[in-house]
Amino acid sequence: AQSVSQHNHHVILSEAASLELGCNYSYGGTVNLFWYVQYPGQHLQLLLKYFSGDPLVKGIKGFEAEFIKSKFSFNLRKPSVQWSDTAEYFCAARHSGGYQKVTFGTGTKLQVIP
Amino acid sequence: EAQVTQNPRYLITVTGKKLTVTCSQNMNHEYMSWYRQDPGLGLRQIYYSMNVEVTDKGDVPEGYKVSRKEKRNFPLILESPSPNQTSLYFCASKASANTGELFFGEGSRLTVL
Repeated sequence: AQSVSQHNHHVILSEAASLELGCNYSYGGTVNLFWYVQYPGQHLQLLLKYFSGDPLVKGIKGFEAEFIKSKFSFNLRKPSVQWSDTAEYFCAARHSGGYQKVTFGTGTKLQVIP
Repeated sequence: EAQVTQNPRYLITVTGKKLTVTCSQNMNHEYMSWYRQDPGLGLRQIYYSMNVEVTDKGDVPEGYKVSRKEKRNFPLILESPSPNQTSLYFCASKASANTGELFFGEGSRLTVL
């Protein structure tokens, strides 16, 4: 079955530290990949997405993600986190073309300590 | 402003008392979906709709019903709620079934006693 794995469930960082959150997917073929962010008490918002082209994708708020096809990975990175980045981050994937369900990972809670 | 609106945002109810969570989007999106979010389980899809009068089960449809009589509305119905349906529910929409980006509502936190 198609699945998305996020191995870090809870990450605690100090401000200005670098961030990398892991995401692996089990799909074969061409995939679309997403990172969503959920700030405390809010709904999910799209951070960035990869459909095709340059495997290094830049999103909002200084986040970026790299699609590595050989590793089935789409890790999220930020060089220097801020307290306001405290949130839960969800990786998601779907097969491209036609209707395909979006499958979400279980999420990673990021806590940034001032 | 483009948005997905859910109501109620918070609800405490008792086992067996029918309830409906409404969802409305103003973006003329064809596709709408309901998810539940539970700690450690991420988001799981309950039902989805690819267009008016077209609905289908997601991963966890048991105990839920939906309808899509109009393009903008996609209510979630719990005919006889049970405590295991205590969860945070999100409605989401996207332009069409084969586009990627989902737009989410603010969430509805439901507690069933």
